[in-house]
Amino acid sequence: GEDVEQSLFLSVREGDSSVINCTYTDSSSTYLYWYKQEPGAGLQLLTYIFSNMDMKQDQRLTVLLNKKDKHLSLRIADTQTGDSAIYFCAEMENQGGKLIFGQGTELSVKP
Amino acid sequence: DSGVTQTPKHLITATGQRVTLRCSPRSGDLSVYWYQQSLDQGLQFLIQYYNGEERAKGNILERFSAQQFPDLHSELNLSSLELGDSALYFCASSESFGGARGYTFGSGTRLTVV
Repeated sequence: GEDVEQSLFLSVREGDSSVINCTYTDSSSTYLYWYKQEPGAGLQLLTYIFSNMDMKQDQRLTVLLNKKDKHLSLRIADTQTGDSAIYFCAEMENQGGKLIFGQGTELSVKP
Repeated sequence: DSGVTQTPKHLITATGQRVTLRCSPRSGDLSVYWYQQSLDQGLQFLIQYYNGEERAKGNILERFSAQQFPDLHSELNLSSLELGDSALYFCASSESFGGARGYTFGSGTRLTVV
């Protein structure tokens, strides 16, 4: 079945760039997403990318998609302490519309 | 405020009991999804409804059931509760079947079974 894998932790210094990586298995996925979860809160959609795109940029966020390797990454430029959260990668199951989430990457930003 | 409302925010109950979690989707959204988030299992898809009909089922236990009402709100019923059912339960909604632009999540119901 579908599976989404992420590394569990990432620690960066304030002002540096953060890169969170994700691999997925369903090559028929049409949409891939990045969500952010702050402590005690729900998941907030950060950005999404269509499978026919290689890159999408949205202010400090850059999403790169390598379909051949089934690899998705999220780059956060000029990372701030407010970016500390758990980031989830998700793929949309092609036939069901349900999202399959990775385990989440906990981003820690140190001043 | 995401527009998806979940009640209650917190629930503490004993093993063997039954609880009902409620979700009101964002205005105009027809699809509702339920997810369970626990430390060891991560985010697990439970069930999806679209315009009142069950559309997809995930890892939902037989002790759990859900429905979506004509006004599009949804309820998740959990019965014969066990300690392992303690988790965050999220509801999400999207404007169409398939949710091409992603889901909008509520802030969740934290269930503690003691």
